Amino acid sequence: GAGVSQTPSNKVTEKGKYVELRCDPISGHTALYWYRQSLGQGPEFLIYFQGTGAADDSGLPNDRFFAVRPEGSVSTLKIQRTERGDSAMYLCASSLTYLDTQYFGPGTRLTVL
Amino acid sequence: AQSVTQLDSQVPVFEEAPVELRCNYSSSVSVYLFWYVQYPNQGLQLLLKYLSGSTLVESINGFEAEFNKSQTSFHLRKPSVHISDTAEYFCAVSERQGGSEKLVFGKGTKLTVNP
Repeated sequence: GAGVSQTPSNKVTEKGKYVELRCDPISGHTALYWYRQSLGQGPEFLIYFQGTGAADDSGLPNDRFFAVRPEGSVSTLKIQRTERGDSAMYLCASSLTYLDTQYFGPGTRLTVL
Repeated sequence: AQSVTQLDSQVPVFEEAPVELRCNYSSSVSVYLFWYVQYPNQGLQLLLKYLSGSTLVESINGFEAEFNKSQTSFHLRKPSVHISDTAEYFCAVSERQGGSEKLVFGKGTKLTVNP
């Protein structure tokens, strides 16, 4: 079956702009995660959804970052007033339920000029 | 908070040689450990995992890892590598608290297999 998909694959924006990154999880997966991977680093947790609700948003770096999952499937990560330090690969993962194996998408590479 | 240390950022080896990628973790609670692999221009893929039971776990492509609680390690090994094993390997520990689960990753080890 289809894996986790993320769009766009690449996003280039200017400092101060607003961006949205989309994640389509594997069908039927109730848990969804966002991670951020900076160059030379491992992925770092941002937020975890169980169904429609954010069960843990402790990894969001500041209030410019926000994520939603209104129908319990597709999720959107939103970044306001982007800064150059936001440049990274943003990864989405989903799992069948809480505590199951996480399957990752190919990521969205965000570049803030 | 849990943490993961991958001691080698880069490991070059020749084809058919054995390899060990080292991973140490810090955790004060039950431990669930993972190795993910990222091939060039691809996403993260689960290679193998330890949840409970036998401390030696194996992947379908010949890798194995051993959970060692006393040494807080989960090193990845393969007795004979192929060119196609060239990739970046990430060790991760599952942090579970208050109804949430997150993976805490190491910085990764780039394995380069040379002919």
